[in-house]
Amino acid sequence: GAVVSQHPSWVICKSGTSVKIECRSLDFQATTMFWYRQFPKQSLMLMATSNEGSKATYEQGVEKDKFLINHASLTLSTLTVTSAHPEDSSFYICSANQQLGDNVLTFGAGSRLTVL
Amino acid sequence: LAKTTQPISMDSYEGQEVNITCSHNNIATNDYITWYQQFPSQGPRFIIQGYKTKVTNEVASLFIPADRKSSTLSLPRVSLSDTAVYYCLVVLSGGYQKVTFGTGTKLQVIP
Repeated sequence: GAVVSQHPSWVICKSGTSVKIECRSLDFQATTMFWYRQFPKQSLMLMATSNEGSKATYEQGVEKDKFLINHASLTLSTLTVTSAHPEDSSFYICSANQQLGDNVLTFGAGSRLTVL
Repeated sequence: LAKTTQPISMDSYEGQEVNITCSHNNIATNDYITWYQQFPSQGPRFIIQGYKTKVTNEVASLFIPADRKSSTLSLPRVSLSDTAVYYCLVVLSGGYQKVTFGTGTKLQVIP
C-alpha cells in the first residue's frame, strides 16, 4: 500500500531557530500534499496545501512566512518552521493523496516539535 | 465541505461490537464518507470509505442509509488495541480536494 514517510519523528530546538520537516511519498507520486498541526487532545487542523512546482495554499490564520512549504518534486514536500517559539510546539502531520480518484489520504507518522 | 457531528467519546468492553454514528446532514451528491483511525502520537490511518448502503472490509463495516445524512462505523469484537480516536469525514470524490477533520470520537476499550 501507499506509504508516506515523515522525518524527523521528533525534534527539540531552541527558541528562535528554524526547523525543517520532510514528507516523502515512497511508492507513489504526489502532486498535492497536505500539512496538518495537532495540539494535545485536539483534532487535526489543516495548515496548508502543498502543490508541486507552485506556491502552497495556506488556510486562514496560518502565517505563510512562519511556516514555509516547499514542494520541489512529486515525492517530497518540506515544512520549515521559521524562528520557532514555544507556542509552535505541536505535532505536525503530512499527508498525500495517491490520486486514485477516491480522495483517500495516506498520512505520515507525524513529527513532534518541542521548542524550548 | 459538509460538516460532520459524532460523539466525543465512547467506552466499550473488549469483545463487544462498537457502533459509532456520524451525522452529515448537508452531504452533497458527489461526496463520499470516509473514516480514519488515529492512535496517540501517530498519523491517522484510513479505515473504510463508502457512498451508500453497506461496505465491509477486514477491519470494519460502514452502514449508510438511503438519505446518506448519517453513517455508522461498526467495529466487530473490539480489543484493547482498538482504543483510538475515530474520525468521520465527508470528502468530495476525485481530485485533490483538501480534507478537514472534525472532533472525532475517542473510543476507550475496557478490559
